[in-house]
Amino acid sequence: LAKTTQPISMDSYEGQEVNITCSHNNIATNDYITWYQQFPSQGPRFIIQGYKTKVTNEVASLFIPADRKSSTLSLPRVSLSDTAVYYCLPKGEKLTFGTGTRLTIIP
Amino acid sequence: GAVVSQHPSWVICKSGTSVKIECRSLDFQATTMFWYRQFPKQSLMLMATSNEGSKATYEQGVEKDKFLINHASLTLSTLTVTSAHPEDSSFYICSASATSVSTQYFGPGTRLTVL
Repeated sequence: LAKTTQPISMDSYEGQEVNITCSHNNIATNDYITWYQQFPSQGPRFIIQGYKTKVTNEVASLFIPADRKSSTLSLPRVSLSDTAVYYCLPKGEKLTFGTGTRLTIIP
Repeated sequence: GAVVSQHPSWVICKSGTSVKIECRSLDFQATTMFWYRQFPKQSLMLMATSNEGSKATYEQGVEKDKFLINHASLTLSTLTVTSAHPEDSSFYICSASATSVSTQYFGPGTRLTVL
């Protein structure tokens, strides 16, 4: 299973764009890259998924370079409610959760 | 989006009793469901994978006789913690996917406290 590395924590001010980068050097050819958001005492919430290049939805963008050894989740204009833990996971049959990135939004 | 529910959302039980947690996919059929456990300030740990109609596959170190998993229909999986002890107190989360490689959608979790 591919191991992921993310920053343990990040702080940002409200209204800023936040980019969280994840490295997954050993990602399998068939694996997509999936990002989840988790609030305390709740199950993870699916944010976005991609295989290559750029994917955008109503909440985030995901940038994946050609070598697919890393990916960057971009959250535009964050608010206090975006304070959460964000997990990057190469998605094969199983999801192996790493430590995630604890994002704190400062007013 | 796909909705997964869990019941109960929290439960307190005495040591030695058994507790059943239900996981339901409300708006899609889930061929595969997963059970995770999360301790405070830690990440999710996969306990087992269940496919509808077949026996669950447990991760290394997870006792299958203690954590009984049943996935009898395409919308329901249950986890029974048998003879619960205080060290089983944790946050249990299920996820469901339409196929074994589809996107997993998570339930809201069940907080188990064993006294």
